[in-house]
Amino acid sequence: EVQLVQSGTEVKKPGESLQISCRGSRFSSSTYWIGWVRQLPGKGLELMGLIYPIDSDVRYSPSFQGQVTISVDKSISTAYLQWNTLRTSDTAMYYCVRLGKGGYSNNWFDPWGQGTLVTVSS
Amino acid sequence: QSALTQPPSASGSPGESVTISCTGTSSDVGDSDSVSWYQQHPGKAPKLIIYDVTKRPSGVPDRFSGSKSDNTASLTVSGLQAEDGADYYCASYAGSNNWKYVFGTGTKVTVL
Repeated sequence: EVQLVQSGTEVKKPGESLQISCRGSRFSSSTYWIGWVRQLPGKGLELMGLIYPIDSDVRYSPSFQGQVTISVDKSISTAYLQWNTLRTSDTAMYYCVRLGKGGYSNNWFDPWGQGTLVTVSS
Repeated sequence: QSALTQPPSASGSPGESVTISCTGTSSDVGDSDSVSWYQQHPGKAPKLIIYDVTKRPSGVPDRFSGSKSDNTASLTVSGLQAEDGADYYCASYAGSNNWKYVFGTGTKVTVL
């Protein structure tokens, strides 16, 4: 059974940088896309972007393009979500997800990581 | 890319059925065979319960069923149980757009 294990809770100040991680299995040989989903407090789900670990091809949602960086280190089967300059509005729960079958098209999100809570406050 | 539209809330008594709609456009739900549904209990990560419009992953009770007509997908929970009280989100592949995946706004299901 595939599992995605995320890094722990983060508390940061506005203007600071942050990288959170998501460790899975067999990224180096996997044909599965990995993504990040944001959930603002009390709100719904937003897909931020997807990355293909084999060649690091990244697709960003228009809303998140330029705001975050998604990357992967396939040698350790870990995907990353990075901010260079955090804002209070980045306070949210962040989930990593895998597209449920190989390939980018006509897919679904399964499994999900346990979530990483990021709090940005002065 | 706009979110898919779901009713904010739905409710039913134990044993009853509840149906949640998910309305999109001809560019996403209407053009996709890959609509999925997710259940999220408070403080937990979402869980896949329906994929490819009608299919259930292993371990998901057959009380959960999905369907689609034109630009609207639906999730029906039959024989409501207390543990079905949760937030539910739909999602669709949107192949004709540059950005390919969109979530619904979410529906809170209350078991009375």
